[in-house]
Amino acid sequence: DARVTQTPRHKVTEMGQEVTMRCQPILGHNTVFWYRQTMMQGLELLAYFRNRAPLDDSGMPKDRFSAEMPDATLATLKIQPSEPRDSAVYFCASGSNWVTEAFFGQGTRLTVV
Amino acid sequence: GDSVTQMEGPVTLSEEAFLTINCTYTATGYPSLFWYVQYPGEGLQLLLKATKADDKGSNKGFEATYRKETTSFHLEKGSVQVSDSAVYFCALYYNHLSGGGADGLTFGKGTHLIIQP
Repeated sequence: DARVTQTPRHKVTEMGQEVTMRCQPILGHNTVFWYRQTMMQGLELLAYFRNRAPLDDSGMPKDRFSAEMPDATLATLKIQPSEPRDSAVYFCASGSNWVTEAFFGQGTRLTVV
Repeated sequence: GDSVTQMEGPVTLSEEAFLTINCTYTATGYPSLFWYVQYPGEGLQLLLKATKADDKGSNKGFEATYRKETTSFHLEKGSVQVSDSAVYFCALYYNHLSGGGADGLTFGKGTHLIIQP
């Protein structure tokens, strides 16, 4: 059963610490999205990769967030330094080239205290 | 830019009632349209989709028709069940690579549906 795998599922960290979230897209998918979900803002697109190249990261605060795909099986989202306002659920999703469907992971619930 | 507007929730209905969740969109081209569902503590799951005008997507008793003339993709179900309680997201995807501009799935803010026995 192919699925997008995100780790960790939950993360509690102190303000100022570095946080790294990982995503394993479905094998063969070449499009990867990172979304942040909060009650106030809903789902916000942070970054979007195709064939490991970033196509759009305009939704990401560049001063503290970074997203990479070291290889086709791993996408990472890093926050350094973390702040309480970063507390949210972060979702990774993957899809094929023309995005006929995006498959979501179960998310990483981040709490920054 | 592209955007999706869906009705605010929560929407509370009794079991076996008829459901409509409105969704309208703004896009510069001809996007593909989706409804996703999110159950508590889980990620989003695709419920149904339509890729061109007049297409009807359907799944699990839900259906939605791609209406280009009204730029809408309203979700309907004839008889809801308690197990349908979830948050529903309308979304669009338009590949701007051929025409420039932003790309990616754009979501509405979600509609929380509560079905009471």
